[in-house]
Amino acid sequence: NAGVTQTPKFRILKIGQSMTLQCAQDMNHNYMYWYRQDPGMGLKLIYYSVGAGITDKGEVPNGYNVSRSTTEDFPLRLELAAPSQTSVYFCASSTSGTGYNEQFFGPGTRLTVL
Amino acid sequence: GESVGLHLPTLSVQEGDNSIINCAYSNSASDYFIWYKQESGKGPQFIIDIRSNMDKRQGQRVTVLLNKTVKHLSLQIAATQPGDSAVYFCAEKRGSYIPTFGRGTSLIVHP
Repeated sequence: NAGVTQTPKFRILKIGQSMTLQCAQDMNHNYMYWYRQDPGMGLKLIYYSVGAGITDKGEVPNGYNVSRSTTEDFPLRLELAAPSQTSVYFCASSTSGTGYNEQFFGPGTRLTVL
Repeated sequence: GESVGLHLPTLSVQEGDNSIINCAYSNSASDYFIWYKQESGKGPQFIIDIRSNMDKRQGQRVTVLLNKTVKHLSLQIAATQPGDSAVYFCAEKRGSYIPTFGRGTSLIVHP
């Protein structure tokens, strides 16, 4: 299993540009998550999904959109990039939201908005 | 609000020493706790977990202790190695709620 994969690994955007961060998992996990991590800080939840077709906002959803058309994929969309969105973005998945199960994280996408 | 936090942002130890990383939580309803290790440039990786009905759980060179009375969690790493240098996060979870992560502690191991 590849686990959780993310593309691209690095990206530089200009203010106002748009992009989609890709995330895929091959573990048949129902739950998927997007986090951002600012330097020296912890993980902040942007959006999460409990299954295909179902998404919900996390702690910091403004400026982002998500979709979940399949169990495997959970792309994160930035419509109008702003410097405040400069961060490292991590995608994660878990078997479910209930019970005792850990999250599996991807390698991250480092995004810089200039 | 309820939150998870860490006492020490940076911990420096000598190779071979034991390391203890602490975490305080404020939600007494949390029933599951997880420690993650994040190496530079990588995503967090699961280390060990513990349920609220346990006080201690051991893994390979790692032990997690849970003190529900004072809402405190610790991660002990025995015989710390340079490869243990990383940021360590604790996360708390209750029922079906999404896990909440603390800020993290940077562990620096000096050879």
